[in-house]
Amino acid sequence: DQQVKQNSPSLSVQEGRISILNCDYTNSMFDYFLWYKKYPAEGPTFLISISSIKDKNEDGRFTVFLNKSAKHLSLHIVPSQPGDSAVYFCAASDSGTYKYIFGTGTRLKVLA
Amino acid sequence: NAGVTQTPKFRVLKTGQSMTLLCAQDMNHEYMYWYRQDPGMGLRLIHYSVGEGTTAKGEVPDGYNVSRLKKQNFLLGLESAAPSQTSVYFCASSFDRNTEAFFGQGTRLTVV
Repeated sequence: DQQVKQNSPSLSVQEGRISILNCDYTNSMFDYFLWYKKYPAEGPTFLISISSIKDKNEDGRFTVFLNKSAKHLSLHIVPSQPGDSAVYFCAASDSGTYKYIFGTGTRLKVLA
Repeated sequence: NAGVTQTPKFRVLKTGQSMTLLCAQDMNHEYMYWYRQDPGMGLRLIHYSVGEGTTAKGEVPDGYNVSRLKKQNFLLGLESAAPSQTSVYFCASSFDRNTEAFFGQGTRLTVV
């Protein structure tokens, strides 16, 4: 039973345009959400997070939106750059259990 | 500033052999995690620890054991390796609940 789902395995975007990566979750107890970026042969690195008390968080070119009623979050990257090409994972946690549950990832390719 | 260090980085085991993966963090984090990454499956939580001397099961704990005898170290053991345990293993740590987790570089394990 996949509690965190990323339904798009891959996404291609032109350099300079917006990249939108989506994530859905099923567990209503999740109250903290994160996005990670992963390059080949490296560990995931933290990008941005959002608490369930917010619906938006920005950090430079990265913005995460949370829609609690739809159990959906998205990561917007504007403008996209070739160096953003990587696999992006969303993750969710329930502060009652301390666990981070990850989605299956979306491979983003930014075309120059 | 080492962060999270995993040892070894690569290993090939024969079916039935045992081994221990070591994770060390120098950030004084309370929480530590072991994940495995498989194609199309994302990152799945094996075991985690919320403090020295504590461990708990994650999503896929069967065939693995863990120990957290010292706060800075989290060991993952395979008592009798199976080909299904061929994977890339990541260790992570976090300071508190609802904070980002920091990942190691990964251990690529092949069981033949």
